[in-house]
Amino acid sequence: AQSVTQLGSHVSVSEGALVLLRCNYSSSVPPYLFWYVQYPNQGLQLLLKYTTGATLVKGINGFEAEFKKSETSFHLTKPSAHMSDAAEYFCAVSELGDYKLSFGAGTTVTVRA
Amino acid sequence: EPEVTQTPSHQVTQMGQEVILRCVPISNHLYFYWYRQILGQKVEFLVSFYNNEISEKSEIFDDQFSVERPDGSNFTLKIRSTKLEDSAMYFCASSPGQGRNQPQHFGDGTRLSIL
Repeated sequence: AQSVTQLGSHVSVSEGALVLLRCNYSSSVPPYLFWYVQYPNQGLQLLLKYTTGATLVKGINGFEAEFKKSETSFHLTKPSAHMSDAAEYFCAVSELGDYKLSFGAGTTVTVRA
Repeated sequence: EPEVTQTPSHQVTQMGQEVILRCVPISNHLYFYWYRQILGQKVEFLVSFYNNEISEKSEIFDDQFSVERPDGSNFTLKIRSTKLEDSAMYFCASSPGQGRNQPQHFGDGTRLSIL
């Protein structure tokens, strides 16, 4: 069974600073990996996904993530934080033969002016 | 951009009552899902639905729960005899196809409060 671990339930960054959100997964085969963002009082919006091919994937709003099989990681980054990036971010996986998403616990990002 | 819509946004129900949460998936999508998020916990998969039948369900989705697509547009989650621990945010999602690379599009959720 797959599981997803997000290190750090809360990350605080200064505006303009690097945003780094960590996600590790456990799976017997490389899963498909996703990052979702949830703004206050809204649903989950897909930021980016990794399925096959290039291990560095770019998403919306300047975010990108890199799949590292050797480290079973899929960390999310953004070079320069903006106030509008304040939200909760969820890493999720979908394993071979399975279509449901398994989510991490989420990381809340706050951005300081 | 088309979106998944859920109603109501907040539902307050007495313990033991039945509740129906409603979702309108994106119109050309074929796969439908319900997830829930208890306050402070992970988003958890409940059930997936395709071709008018359940394709997968979690251990959470017991006989208390049921899903239905009563017409061509709505997708509902019914919870019978609600319990305090059913209080959560319930998310509906839909995807265009079955492949794992088909992204699931989520609604804004229904916050269910059981008193």
